[in-house]
Amino acid sequence: DIVLTQSPASLAVSLGQRATISCKASQSVDYDGDSYMNWYQQKPGQPPKLLIYAASNLESGIPARFSGSGSGTDFTLNIHPVEEEDAATYYCQQSNEDPPTFGGGTKLEIK
Amino acid sequence: EIQLQQSGPELVKPGASVKVSCKASGYSFTDYNMYWVKQSHGKSLEWIGYIDPYNGGTSYNQKFKGKATLTVDKSSSTAFMHLNSLTSEDSAVYYCAREGVLRSFDYWGQGTTLTVSS
Repeated sequence: DIVLTQSPASLAVSLGQRATISCKASQSVDYDGDSYMNWYQQKPGQPPKLLIYAASNLESGIPARFSGSGSGTDFTLNIHPVEEEDAATYYCQQSNEDPPTFGGGTKLEIK
Repeated sequence: EIQLQQSGPELVKPGASVKVSCKASGYSFTDYNMYWVKQSHGKSLEWIGYIDPYNGGTSYNQKFKGKATLTVDKSSSTAFMHLNSLTSEDSAVYYCAREGVLRSFDYWGQGTTLTVSS
């Protein structure tokens, strides 16, 4: 199985500043020119919400302050400028190889 | 509006089985694979398996083979997950999720909380 390692496990960012979350895969999740890496936001008591698909594509309805980048085994989620409502846990997920796997999550606190 | 409406919380005894439902609306049910995901309390997410509602074809995470069985009822646009021989390790929130672009999960049910306790 592909292991996804997220860092940091938690971070606190001041309102209006940038939050950066890293996700490293144990093997490449690229195939045929696409990166099969997705990012989700989850708030307590709610299901995950898709933010970014295929590494850098913003899901419909998601604010442009969220962005994703990377390829191969190294991926990043950026949030800038951070808002109060962005307090949540963020997960990366690879869908290149079965089973699809998720990272351990990064909890974002807004200062 | 696309919605996935899951069945309510379940409290079951060890050794029993349970069937969780996920009713889809707002899109053509047979056009998208349906995935099931487990989230144990305070932990990350695990993929259980998926089903192709068009032909009933399934694929399971090796970890959940023999534990979970996925089915659909096309007439009611509902997906089901049956879990058997339940233990405390099966206590978790279970989600259904629709497959989106490049196998992302673009729509999710609200989750069904399963508690296994005597």
